[in-house]
Amino acid sequence: EAGVVQSPRYKIIEKKQPVAFWCNPISGHNTLYWYLQNLGQGPELLIRYENEEAVDDSQLPKDRFSAERLKGVDSTLKIQPAELGDSAVYLCASSPQRRSSYNEQFFGPGTRLTVL
Amino acid sequence: GIQVEQSPPDLILQEGANSTLRCNFSDSVNNLQWFHQNPWGQLINLFYIPSGTKQNGRLSATTVATERYSLLYISSSQTTDSGVYFCAGLIQGAQKLVFGQGTRLTINP
Repeated sequence: EAGVVQSPRYKIIEKKQPVAFWCNPISGHNTLYWYLQNLGQGPELLIRYENEEAVDDSQLPKDRFSAERLKGVDSTLKIQPAELGDSAVYLCASSPQRRSSYNEQFFGPGTRLTVL
Repeated sequence: GIQVEQSPPDLILQEGANSTLRCNFSDSVNNLQWFHQNPWGQLINLFYIPSGTKQNGRLSATTVATERYSLLYISSSQTTDSGVYFCAGLIQGAQKLVFGQGTRLTINP
C-alpha cells in the first residue's frame, strides 16, 4: 500500500513569492491534515479536512495561507506571499478517521521550504 | 500548561545498549502514538498505544493511561535507531494531535 505522497520534497524561494505544496493521502483515508514543523520542534497542526470539508483551520494563518481539498482526495497548501519565518517543513498526514472515533495518523515525507 | 512532555531531550548511547524514553501527558490528552523521525525527516509510525503494552521486534511501548505516561523501550540499539522520537496524543474533543518536543537519540558505533 502506498503511503502519503507529497511534492515537492524541497523548495527554495525568495520572500514575497508564492509557493504551493501538494499532498495525496493514503487511498481510502478520508481525513487529511497539514502540519508545520519548525526546526527542533514537534509538528503543529495547521488544518484538518474531513473529506472536502475543512473542519479545523483555527491554526492556519489565513492572511497568507490557504488550503483546498476540492474532491476530497488530494490537497494543496499555498502561501502567498511567503515570509522568512515560513521556512520550515510542511507535513501532510492522513487517517481513516471518522468524527466519532480516532485512528492513527500516517505522515508523508514532508516538503522542506526555505525562504531567502 | 504543557500537554505532552518528553524526556530526556537528548540521549547518546553506544551500539548494543538499551534505552527508555518517557512521555508524560495531561488529562486532556489520550490515544498516544510514538513516531521515529529519521535523518531525512520522515515520521515513521512506531506504535499506536492508548493503553497497555505492545512489542515490535526490538521496540516495545507501554502506556499507563491512569498515570498519564507512556514509555518506549529500545533494546540492543543499532546506529539506524538514531533520530528523533516523538510521542503525540489526541486532545480530547478537538480531534487534534499534539506532539511532544521529542527525544534526540544518537547511537554511536
